[in-house]
Amino acid sequence: DTEVTQTPKHLVMGMTNKKSLKCEQHMGHRAMYWYKQKAKKPPELMFVYSYEKLSINESVPSRFSPECPNSSLLNLHLHALQPEDSALYLCASSRIRGLSEQFFGPGTRLTVL
Amino acid sequence: GEDVEQSLFLSVREGDSSVINCTYTDSSSTYLYWYKQEPGAGLQLLTYIFSNMDMKQDQRLTVLLNKKDKHLSLRIADTQTGDSAIYFCAESDPLSGGSNYKLTFGKGTLLTVNP
Repeated sequence: DTEVTQTPKHLVMGMTNKKSLKCEQHMGHRAMYWYKQKAKKPPELMFVYSYEKLSINESVPSRFSPECPNSSLLNLHLHALQPEDSALYLCASSRIRGLSEQFFGPGTRLTVL
Repeated sequence: GEDVEQSLFLSVREGDSSVINCTYTDSSSTYLYWYKQEPGAGLQLLTYIFSNMDMKQDQRLTVLLNKKDKHLSLRIADTQTGDSAIYFCAESDPLSGGSNYKLTFGKGTLLTVNP
């Protein structure tokens, strides 16, 4: 199984809502990542988890709150978002060392009204 | 800092070869990757090359690496309409602590294949 799954596929939320994005992989990878991708741009790294611990936060606003409940799951909790946060949110996973190519999920298309 | 440059557009006829070029600045990159992204989809890893290799071939894909010039290319032989997508090259840089790698992506090349 070389698949990373993400739910939901699409999400529309208001600026006062609280929602969560979910990501799952069963490749035994111990590194998981959240990226944000705006239209016609490359993905931008947001967070990195290693061995279920947050290792990198790329200065992301606190209205985005990541969580890694176990080695297969990664969540991104959203609260009080702004319209400019509308984007495709991609999850990825990789091995920790060696050839640590990242496998990406299909993404969640988020629209903030 | 790290920087990866790509041309933004490439248009070819079906059956021709496509060559997508990329330049990077970080000479310490261990691996270089090519990802494909179709409209509305996530990124699909196409191939990678280790920094001590010059060339790698994988079916219709050929990757060439000129480490001296920091130039990477992806050749797609017999390009098909299904190859139409955005292609990102990416270099990997170790994050602090060395146990994770950050991918620095180019801006992506939109490949259009005309029938």
